[in-house]
Amino acid sequence: GDSVTQMEGPVTLSEEAFLTINCTYTATGYPSLFWYVQYPGEGLQLLLKATKADDKGSNKGFEATYRKETTSFHLEKGSVQVSDSAVYFCALSDGTSSASKIIFGSGTRLSIRP
Amino acid sequence: DGGITQSPKYLFRKEGQNVTLSCEQNLNHDAMYWYRQDPGQGLRLIYYSQIVNDFQKGDIAEGYSVSREKKESFPLTVTSAQKNPTAFYLCASRSGLALMDEQFFGPGTRLTVL
Repeated sequence: GDSVTQMEGPVTLSEEAFLTINCTYTATGYPSLFWYVQYPGEGLQLLLKATKADDKGSNKGFEATYRKETTSFHLEKGSVQVSDSAVYFCALSDGTSSASKIIFGSGTRLSIRP
Repeated sequence: DGGITQSPKYLFRKEGQNVTLSCEQNLNHDAMYWYRQDPGQGLRLIYYSQIVNDFQKGDIAEGYSVSREKKESFPLTVTSAQKNPTAFYLCASRSGLALMDEQFFGPGTRLTVL
């Protein structure tokens, strides 16, 4: 079945560093791809999404490009802030079943040092 | 403001007791979901519902039950048959089942079994 694999954390960076969190997927169709963020003790919030190949999703300085040839959707940010410390989840919309569920990766914890 | 509410935020239960977690949405979404999140882990799907009066088991439905009598409400009951119920529970909704539709999450309920 469809699946999502993302880099294990924790990832620790200094403020203003460049961030990359890798995400690859396996899908039989043409899924939509999402990045969600979870701050401590809260639910998940949609960070960005892309619905077709070569689409770039962007929000709050974060970007990710839907790469069909490498089945990837890596999250990037040019200059991270302490407030970006959170857990990030890569996800895809599984269209192979009638329910069209969203499948989540295991999450990557990001910590930013001042 | 439109959104998803979960109550209570913290819940304590004695072993052997059933407990019901509330989830309400005013987004007019058809689909609703329940996930379980253990510390440092990703999300696991418990139950989902695509329409009123219909629901399906997810990946870890044993020991849980749900109902969907109203479009805006999807309560989850954690029964005494659930062997390890201590976890963070997240409710989500989705406007439709198209691949591009993202899920919206509530703030979560943290359940602790004493």
